[in-house]
Parts: sequence; structure tokens; C-alpha cells
Amino acid sequence: DVKVTQSSRYLVKRTGEKVFLECVQDMDHENMFWYRQDPGLGLRLIYFSYDVKMKEKGDIPEGYSVSREKKERFSLILESASTNQTSMYLCASRENWGNQPQHFGDGTRLSIL
Amino acid sequence: DQQVKQNSPSLSVQEGRISILNCDYTNSMFDYFLWYKKYPAEGPTFLISISSIKDKNEDGRFTVFLNKSAKHLSLHIVPSQPGDSAVYFCATRRSGGSNYKLTFGKGTLLTVNP
Repeated sequence: DVKVTQSSRYLVKRTGEKVFLECVQDMDHENMFWYRQDPGLGLRLIYFSYDVKMKEKGDIPEGYSVSREKKERFSLILESASTNQTSMYLCASRENWGNQPQHFGDGTRLSIL
Repeated sequence: DQQVKQNSPSLSVQEGRISILNCDYTNSMFDYFLWYKKYPAEGPTFLISISSIKDKNEDGRFTVFLNKSAKHLSLHIVPSQPGDSAVYFCATRRSGGSNYKLTFGKGTLLTVNP
């Protein structure tokens, strides 16, 4: 079974802080993704990485950056946290061939005070 | 502009009956379609998928139907069970180019009553 692990289930930070969300997958997947989920808005893609050190902006990249130094790890960085970044953050990974689905972690519930 | 629409925010059915969840899309370039199930405080779990060369795919109690001419996708759950109560997201992928990306609908909350 694919295992995608997000380092924290719940996180509380203050406005202006730099916040790191970590995600690790154990299946040697090339592609990794960061989404946020908000009520009534579904899942929105923030950034994705199709391989190590490669990244592309998703639909809502503003205020975020990412890092992929190793294949198994994909980090989401909130450069200066703001209250409108309070959300559920979801990481996913997939194999880079054919019709492979994305596999998700259990999410990080981030609150910015 | 919303490219993937799940027009019913919620659906309630009785245990043992059929649940039908619907999804409409606007872009004819979408060629791969998936359904995910999500329980509260957990990540989405992949349920079933279908490629555009098919019009039906079945896995146990779950069947996905694709009507390309109508740009419509549906998920049938028969028989429905209380454990199926969750939010269901449809998602699609565009052919060609950066086809890693999925576009998600906003989800439908299914409640199966005992």
C-alpha cells in the first residue's frame, strides 16, 4: 500500500511566521502535490513537483513556495503566514506513468492566529 | 470558471438503496476521470476511475459511467451502506502537456441512513 505521511495533523501558528509543512511518501513516486481544502471550494492545487528539484505552480501559488530536494520528500512553505491561509493542507503522490491515481496523506489542519 | 461541477452539495439515501453521484465537466480535452471518497479528518481515498475510451467501469458495489457527448460522469453505489457516508469528489485530468494535474469538483456529501 502507498503511504503518504504528513508530519503534523494539527498546527497552530501566528501571523507573519514562516511555516513548514512536510510530506514524505514511501513508494518512490516521481510526482508530488500540495492542495488546500476549504469548505465549499473543494481541493485546490497549490504546487506540484514532477521530479526531484522540479516544481510547477498550481492554481493558487501566491504566498507559498515548495522544496523537493529528495524524491520522497516534498515541503510546502508559507513565507509569511496570514489568517487566510488557515486551511486543511493535503499532500499527494503518484507514479509518473499511464493512468495512475494520486494517493493522499491524512492532511494537516493549519490554523493561523 | 469552474471546469468540474458537482451540482449537488449533499445527498441522503436509505441503506440498501442506490446512491447516484453526478459530475459535469466543460473541457472536452479531459480524458481520465476519478472518484475519491473523503471521511472527516482523513485524506481523500481513491475509489474508482475511468478513461475516455470507456463508458463504464465497475468495481464491486461501485460503478462509474461516462457520457462523453454530455460531458457527464456519475458514480453509482449499490447497495449503499452507512459506512459509505462521506464526501465524494470527482476529478479529471487533461490529456497531453502537463497531465499530472487533476481538477477537482467541490464535492458531494453522501449520507446513508440506517
